[in-house]
Amino acid sequence: ETGVTQTPRHLVMGMTNKKSLKCEQHLGHNAMYWYKQSAKKPLELMFVYSLEERVENNSVPSRFSPECPNSSHLFLHLHTLQPEDSALYLCASSQAPPLAGGYNEQFFGPGTRLTVL
Amino acid sequence: GIQVEQSPPDLILQEGANSTLRCNFSDSVNNLQWFHQNPWGQLINLFYIPSGTKQNGRLSATTVATERYSLLYISSSQTTDSGVYFCAVCQSGNTPLVFGKGTRLSVIA
Repeated sequence: ETGVTQTPRHLVMGMTNKKSLKCEQHLGHNAMYWYKQSAKKPLELMFVYSLEERVENNSVPSRFSPECPNSSHLFLHLHTLQPEDSALYLCASSQAPPLAGGYNEQFFGPGTRLTVL
Repeated sequence: GIQVEQSPPDLILQEGANSTLRCNFSDSVNNLQWFHQNPWGQLINLFYIPSGTKQNGRLSATTVATERYSLLYISSSQTTDSGVYFCAVCQSGNTPLVFGKGTRLSVIA
């Protein structure tokens, strides 16, 4: 699926580093999501942006800071991470606002595999 | 919150065999999606199927919303079908997708 791209694909960082993950969607959607996938755990929703406003923040630590400058781009700024933050970070997009009664079909990017040393 | 249970957790098939993967959910849903996660982590959309039956090539899916389950059928499996299959649901109301733990499928030649 080339409709949603993510960069970088792999990232290794120290606990004192600051880095950013980037997501771009080319599907004309206007809702974007960040998910975290840790080893042997279900995908966990982190943030939802709908029409460029954050509508969901799933109790994520403040060392993760999202930014959605427009409906096509989503960033996840990382600072002072912990080794347990090592995971696959997935971006997704869909049409928004959510349909009455539920969200629209979501499409995912290839993910950024993050390792925190 | 809603619970999503997938079974079996692991499945090993000989190439050419058929299989059925199951997804049970604990409450009514407005949205259900099946995904295939390949070995590189990419989640590929298979079906958007809150109810009814759909088919796409060797894959088909059925969701019986009133009985709170969905089935994914894979026929004539190929080694490229290997990976993890996820079911994800969205409850009534504006809630985001909740994922099951997945079924890990290995197809051997």
